[in-house]
Amino acid sequence: GENVEQHPSTLSVQEGDSAVIKCTYSDSASNYFPWYKQELGKGPQLIIDIRSNVGEKKDQRIAVTLNKTAKHFSLHITETQPEDSAVYFCAARGGGADGLTFGKGTHLIIQP
Amino acid sequence: EPEVTQTPSHQVTQMGQEVILRCVPISNHLYFYWYRQILGQKVEFLVSFYNNEISEKSEIFDDQFSVERPDGSNFTLKIRSTKLEDSAMYFCASSEALASTGELFFGEGSRLTVL
Repeated sequence: GENVEQHPSTLSVQEGDSAVIKCTYSDSASNYFPWYKQELGKGPQLIIDIRSNVGEKKDQRIAVTLNKTAKHFSLHITETQPEDSAVYFCAARGGGADGLTFGKGTHLIIQP
Repeated sequence: EPEVTQTPSHQVTQMGQEVILRCVPISNHLYFYWYRQILGQKVEFLVSFYNNEISEKSEIFDDQFSVERPDGSNFTLKIRSTKLEDSAMYFCASSEALASTGELFFGEGSRLTVL
């Protein structure tokens, strides 16, 4: 089955700086890579996703890049704000599967 | 904005007891899921459900687990005889289409504590 590794587990950045979170996956047939933001006491919320036929996708301050050859994908948040503080999860969907395989999460802390 | 709702928000039960967690998916969604998150760990897929039957299940979803859509709105997860290691946050999710083509919407979760 699919295995997703996520780094770092904790990331602290100054407000206004950029944050990068990286994930690797094992199943070369995986074709869908979403990123979720989870705030305390709430369920994961989709913030951006990318499919295997695209190398990069951007939505305002958030961007995701995908390198299929190396089997890794990254989340980039620019101009970070205090409300970006949360746990971020990457996930991958293996070929032919319904379920998403999640990474262990990154606790992003935005320092004022 | 439509949302997935889950009840109860927190349930405490004794080991060996049966538990039913309830979910109301978004009304026009066709695919339903249960995930769980043990405290401090990753979110794990349990089961997907489509067209009134299980579409896929993980190794975690053994014989003590079952899912049901008893009516047109509810989607339930039953744990027959709870174990200590079942303590976790259980998330229901739904999507209009398969997870690869449709956004997955999660509920706020039901925290299960098994004593």
